[in-house]
Amino acid sequence: QVKLQESGPGLVRPSGTLSLTCTVSGDSIGSDTWWSWVRQSPERGLEWIGEIYHTGSTRYNPSLKSRVSMSVDKSGNQFTMNMQSLTAADSAVYYCARELWGTSIFEYWGQGILVTVSS
Amino acid sequence: DIVLEQSPDTLSLSPGERATLSCRASQSIRRSKVAWYQQKVGQAPRLLIYGESSRATGIPDRFRGFVSGTDFSLTITRLEPEDFAVYFCQQYGTAPYTFGQGTRLDIK
Repeated sequence: QVKLQESGPGLVRPSGTLSLTCTVSGDSIGSDTWWSWVRQSPERGLEWIGEIYHTGSTRYNPSLKSRVSMSVDKSGNQFTMNMQSLTAADSAVYYCARELWGTSIFEYWGQGILVTVSS
Repeated sequence: DIVLEQSPDTLSLSPGERATLSCRASQSIRRSKVAWYQQKVGQAPRLLIYGESSRATGIPDRFRGFVSGTDFSLTITRLEPEDFAVYFCQQYGTAPYTFGQGTRLDIK
């Protein structure tokens, strides 16, 4: 059974940096698929942030590309997302997900982590 | 970006009835690459359908996907109590991958 678990801060200051980690169990981060981050807020709905392959190759949503970076930790079977220059508009539930055969279909999701940007 | 418009925003039906949810794309989606997800309160979305009509693992056959040009639809042939939730379409044909705003399926 594939499981994903997000971890990170629930509160970030405006202009700060968000760092979230997704820990994978039941599968290897080195599998032939991509690993994604998706966020959801009442204002913006569901929004794809970007994806990473175990080699470190990344693809980002152009609307966020200037502020986002992702990395893989094979030894920890984890992947991480960093987002800079946060504003209140970045407040959302952040999900990590495993894609189906690298198709950008989100087959497995973490439970999500609520991140609030506030002073 | 490809914009997905879902309709209706809310659909009120009774258990046993048939539900049809629609998703229209602002432009052609390469090889009909649309997926459907179900989301219940406090939970992550769950993959239901992808491609023209492939069901994800464990999804019952009362869930069916249809494609007609840039119009996509999800049909639930006979509603069960656990089907009342919010449904989203997603296109994965062209990055950035985008989602519709959702259709809420309520119990009448």
